[in-house]
Amino acid sequence: DGGITQSPKYLFRKEGQNVTLSCEQNLNHDAMYWYRQDPGQGLRLIYYSQIVNDFQKGDIAEGYSVSREKKESFPLTVTSAQKNPTAFYLCASSIQGTRDKNIQYFGAGTRLSVL
Amino acid sequence: GQQVMQIPQYQHVQEGEDFTTYCNSSTTLSNIQWYKQRPGGHPVFLIQLVKSGEVKKQKRLTFQFGEAKKNSSLHITATQTTDVGTYFCAGLNSGYSTLTFGKGTMLLVSP
Repeated sequence: DGGITQSPKYLFRKEGQNVTLSCEQNLNHDAMYWYRQDPGQGLRLIYYSQIVNDFQKGDIAEGYSVSREKKESFPLTVTSAQKNPTAFYLCASSIQGTRDKNIQYFGAGTRLSVL
Repeated sequence: GQQVMQIPQYQHVQEGEDFTTYCNSSTTLSNIQWYKQRPGGHPVFLIQLVKSGEVKKQKRLTFQFGEAKKNSSLHITATQTTDVGTYFCAGLNSGYSTLTFGKGTMLLVSP
């Protein structure tokens, strides 16, 4: 069953703690994305990667870090530098090189809260 | 920077009434996509429009892309309670590799 798996579904962060959100896809998509969703704010791009071992900052990258060591995986770390991390985090992937590129397939999301 | 404005932010209709959400870009778009997010869920791709003036239909949903490729609309005829959710437009600008999402229109349908 192909798709994008995000874990955990809920995550709690203590002050000064780094936490890592997992995103795995078995769609064989080249590109992967991380978005942050706040109520009434739509989706804002944090980081994206179009190929293994390469990634670019999105609109709100400060306080976040990513890695892309494997095509299937694109973990997001929310660092202690992110002062307002409470949000719904969505991972997405898309195919490249076709007319359907940039069509995003989303995971179920991770809800991060600060204790 | 790229901006995609979407209105209204929220709409509450009675079942059977029509609904329209509008999307406007500050720049000319290569294409525009529409997504639906059910309450508590994640966005799901609905459709992509590429050509100037393009109109596409999916059952009761009609999607339009403006002649200047700077605006788009989604119209739902005779809403049903299953239409409840937030509808997002997302535009792709020429030369860019990422989408810019509108803030979404939340639709509530009362039976």
